[in-house]
Amino acid sequence: EVQLEQSGAEVKKPGTSVKISCKVSGYTFTDYYMHWVRQAPGKGLEWLGLFDPDDGETIFAEKFQGRVTMTADTSTDTAFVELSSLKSEDTAVYYCATGIAGRLQPLPYYFTSWGQGTLVTISS
Amino acid sequence: QSALTQPASVSGSPGQSITISCTGTSSDVGLYNYVSWYQQHPDKAPKLMIYDVSNRPSGVSDRFSGSKSGNTASLTISGLQTEDEADYYCSSHTSSSTRVFGTGTAVFVL
Repeated sequence: EVQLEQSGAEVKKPGTSVKISCKVSGYTFTDYYMHWVRQAPGKGLEWLGLFDPDDGETIFAEKFQGRVTMTADTSTDTAFVELSSLKSEDTAVYYCATGIAGRLQPLPYYFTSWGQGTLVTISS
Repeated sequence: QSALTQPASVSGSPGQSITISCTGTSSDVGLYNYVSWYQQHPDKAPKLMIYDVSNRPSGVSDRFSGSKSGNTASLTISGLQTEDEADYYCSSHTSSSTRVFGTGTAVFVL
């Protein structure tokens, strides 16, 4: 069974950084993209970017360029996202998500399995 | 990259059919057939309902169907049920190799 387990809630001050982890199980970590998506309270879904654990390639939404870093530790099958220069508007639930269909077929354009979400609150 | 445009809300009675639109541009929805739809109940992670414009993942009811014409994709829910009450989001691959979500549509079952 594909599972994504995220780190716990964070409270951060404006101008600082936050780093969230996402530990996966049930599949080969390096075979599938890892996406990061966020949702501000009462708002819609917003795609931050993707990370390819196989070669470290990243693609970011233009809005987050220069402020987001995505990495992974393949020895522990864990992906990370770090967002810097935090603002109150960054308060949101952050999700990791990957695209895996039946029989572990890759679905790189989609999000089939999601973490439970990590609430990040930015407050002075 | 701007969010894809969806109606804020759509409602219907049990048993009826409803359709949610998702309008993008020739750089995303109009360019690729990599359009998907997600259902999200309150305080839950989204669930993939449709991918490749019109394909259903295993386990998703055939009451959900998708289509596309030009820069606009659509999700139709037929035989509306109370459990279909949720938020729905479309998503598309883009010419920049990024992904973009729609603004989201709240579905109400009256």
